[in-house]
Amino acid sequence: AQSVTQLGSHVSVSEGALVLLRCNYSSSVPPYLFWYVQYPNQGLQLLLKYTSAATLVKGINGFEAEFKKSETSFHLTKPSAHMSDAAEYFCALGGGADGLTFGKGTHLIIQP
Amino acid sequence: IAGITQAPTSQILAAGRRMTLRCTQDMRHNAMYWYRQDLGLGLRLIHYSNTAGTTGKGEVPDGYSVSRANTDDFPLTLASAVPSQTSVYFCASSEAPRGRSNYGYTFGSGTRLTVV
Repeated sequence: AQSVTQLGSHVSVSEGALVLLRCNYSSSVPPYLFWYVQYPNQGLQLLLKYTSAATLVKGINGFEAEFKKSETSFHLTKPSAHMSDAAEYFCALGGGADGLTFGKGTHLIIQP
Repeated sequence: IAGITQAPTSQILAAGRRMTLRCTQDMRHNAMYWYRQDLGLGLRLIHYSNTAGTTGKGEVPDGYSVSRANTDDFPLTLASAVPSQTSVYFCASSEAPRGRSNYGYTFGSGTRLTVV
């Protein structure tokens, strides 16, 4: 069975600081990995995805994520946080027969 | 703008009433999905459809039904609403069927449903 674990339901960083949102996965088949962002009262938007090409994936709004097979991780980073980055972030795992499996989400808080 | 349209945006519904949440996509995607989002529980799959004319049950299907008469529309019906169905409901779609999940999903903006 596939599973996704996002470490930390809430992460708080200062404006200008590094953002690091953690995602670990478990999969019996080669994984496809995604990060989605959800702004208040909106649907989920795709930030970036890993589909077995380059292990470092760049997405929108300055975010990137690195696929590390040995650590079964796909952590999301951004060098410098902006107030507009405050949102809910979801890691998702694909590649199996059951469609995408979503993590429970991490709420990113940006302190001024 | 191509995407998914959900209606209504929000609704307050009396318990026991029947309600249909509408979802329409204009991307000609094969697969469509209904999720509910609840605090602390993340997104949970209710029903899905890999192609027009077929549907399948997700993680939390009880109390909900769907139909897929054509490619574009995927309505979700609550036959007799209960307070535990208070949630935010999201419709999503993907180019490929559910089992080929190297494609990401496109999401609608959601319907906020309160059952009282």
